[in-house]
Amino acid sequence: EAGVAQSPRYKIIEKRQSVAFWCNPISGHATLYWYQQILGQGPKLLIQFQNNGVVDDSQLPKDRFSAERLKGVDSTLKIQPAKLEDSAVYLCASSSSTIWNEQFFGPGTRLTVL
Amino acid sequence: AQSVTQLDSQVPVFEEAPVELRCNYSSSVSVYLFWYVQYPNQGLQLLLKYLSGSTLVKGINGFEAEFNKSQTSFHLRKPSVHISDTAEYFCAVSDRGGATNKLIFGTGTLLAVQP
Repeated sequence: EAGVAQSPRYKIIEKRQSVAFWCNPISGHATLYWYQQILGQGPKLLIQFQNNGVVDDSQLPKDRFSAERLKGVDSTLKIQPAKLEDSAVYLCASSSSTIWNEQFFGPGTRLTVL
Repeated sequence: AQSVTQLDSQVPVFEEAPVELRCNYSSSVSVYLFWYVQYPNQGLQLLLKYLSGSTLVKGINGFEAEFNKSQTSFHLRKPSVHISDTAEYFCAVSDRGGATNKLIFGTGTLLAVQP
């Protein structure tokens, strides 16, 4: 079974530029998560999708971050414009829809904002 | 709201020695508890989980953890570590009755195994 795929693995941009990250979850997983992991901290949930609907985006900085999952499969996370404090690893995870379901994580995208 | 505290940011240990990584949580509701491991440049992998039942939980790679409700702790242990166990370990909680399955992570503990 293929795992969660993410691209790119690394990205370096200047502040005020825009950037997009892509995630392909495990086949059949209805729930998709985006986490932000700042150096020295644990991952923090940014947004959670159930199929193509948003379940939780309470910690997403909506003035600059956006995410979509149009067909309930792949997802894109965008930052526009980027700030220095957005430097982090962005992790995508997916899970199947059961009462409790294990989240499977992708390798992450490391973003450096200069 | 829940929170997770991992007091040790780094734990150095010699190969074949035992190790304990500490985790304490705070929550006003019942929770599920997890330990994840993150190897360099990789995503997180589930080591073990406590959902219900026996408070001693066994996971992969010889790790185990014990849920202590009175002390709100979920410490991770391994009787004999290997060089390959060098990684970052994260403790996490999830609201047992929550609708979102959201994970709240601690800040992580770097386990550094030395030969």
